[in-house]
Amino acid sequence: GQNIDQPTEMTATEGAIVQINCTYQTSGFNGLFWYQQHAGEAPTFLSYNVLDGLEEKGRFSSFLSRSKGYSYLLLKELQMKDSASYLCAVRDSNYQLIWGAGTKLIIKP
Amino acid sequence: IAGITQAPTSQILAAGRRMTLRCTQDMRHNAMYWYRQDLGLGLRLIHYSNTAGTTGKGEVPDGYSVSRANTDDFPLTLASAVPSQTSVYFCASSEDGGAKDTQYFGPGTRLTVL
Repeated sequence: GQNIDQPTEMTATEGAIVQINCTYQTSGFNGLFWYQQHAGEAPTFLSYNVLDGLEEKGRFSSFLSRSKGYSYLLLKELQMKDSASYLCAVRDSNYQLIWGAGTKLIIKP
Repeated sequence: IAGITQAPTSQILAAGRRMTLRCTQDMRHNAMYWYRQDLGLGLRLIHYSNTAGTTGKGEVPDGYSVSRANTDDFPLTLASAVPSQTSVYFCASSEDGGAKDTQYFGPGTRLTVL
């Protein structure tokens, strides 16, 4: 079966750095996505990785290792508005997105 | 403003009733999707459409039907609602459903079936 694993919840301090991990086992791989979802709102796109390595976009970076079936999202200089759920999704061999359950990130002052 | 709209925002429905959730996008995207989101679970694909006139089944299609008569609209119908269909429903669209294709989501419909 296909499986995406992420921690259920993480807590971090304003101004700090946090790393949210995602491991996956899917039938085929055509890229990995990270989305942000604030409570009661729609998911919004953050990043896309298809090759191994780090993609940096402002305060957010995303890393991929295809051989390990592993990705992480790194958030720097945390702000209160970063409190949200972060969803990891993998595009499988049928070009469908398989979604993790999401990691709820709580930022404390 | 370009984007995806969904209606209604929320709905309470008696079991056994028929219900259609509406989704409209104005980005001229070819591909559209319906997901349900339940607490503790990832988004699960119900049905999708890669282009107008075609539809396909996702992971959890039972009890749901869709149509894609034109590019902009992708309604989801529950023929006879059951309590297990209580969920938040998100419609999404993307340019062409390809590998790098990014999905954009509507605001969601919160449905409660009693």
